[in-house]
Amino acid sequence: EDQVTQSPEALRLQEGESSSLNCSYTVSGLRGLFWYRQDPGKGPEFLFTLYSAGEEKEKERLKATLTKKESFLHITAPKPEDSATYLCAVQARSGGSNYKLTFGKGTLLTVNP
Amino acid sequence: SAVISQKPSRDICQRGTSLTIQCQVDSQVTMMFWYRQQPGQSLTLIATANQGSEATYESGFVIDKFPISRPNLTFSTLTVSNLSPEDSSIYLCSVQGHLGQPQHFGDGTRLSIL
Repeated sequence: EDQVTQSPEALRLQEGESSSLNCSYTVSGLRGLFWYRQDPGKGPEFLFTLYSAGEEKEKERLKATLTKKESFLHITAPKPEDSATYLCAVQARSGGSNYKLTFGKGTLLTVNP
Repeated sequence: SAVISQKPSRDICQRGTSLTIQCQVDSQVTMMFWYRQQPGQSLTLIATANQGSEATYESGFVIDKFPISRPNLTFSTLTVSNLSPEDSSIYLCSVQGHLGQPQHFGDGTRLSIL
């Protein structure tokens, strides 16, 4: 069974204090790993897709990396508007629904001014 | 990406009743899905809504409790039947084009049961 574990559950940073969020996964053949941002009262907003180990994607202050066992979401010099819950999900190549996303519980990031 | 509208955005229902949630997309999409997000839990796939045929349910979810319709490539409904307090949750619709492309989500329906 595919599993996704995110850590830490919650992270509080000062504005400008860089850090990383972790997503560990076990999957029967990875089709893609997805990062989403979710604001209170909203649905998940897509950030990145990573397909293979060694791949990196960047968007503004966010950078996502992927290994065979985990992904990191690096946040450089965060601002208060980066405060949100960050979700990681995997899509497997085989077994059950090919489109099924298996999500972690998320990391609640709070950036204080 | 597609614009996804869900209705209602929230509702409070009595035990034993049913609620139907609508998901409308502004363009034709290949795949539509329904997820549940319970407090403190991860998003969990309920079913894949298949156009013109019965939905495909994940383990632990059954058609009698969560009937789904998808009459065309832009619209789907999820009904949560015989409501109990355990059904209090956020229900989200998502859409996807092809395998490997990201899924995009609506803003969800927040359901509370009295």
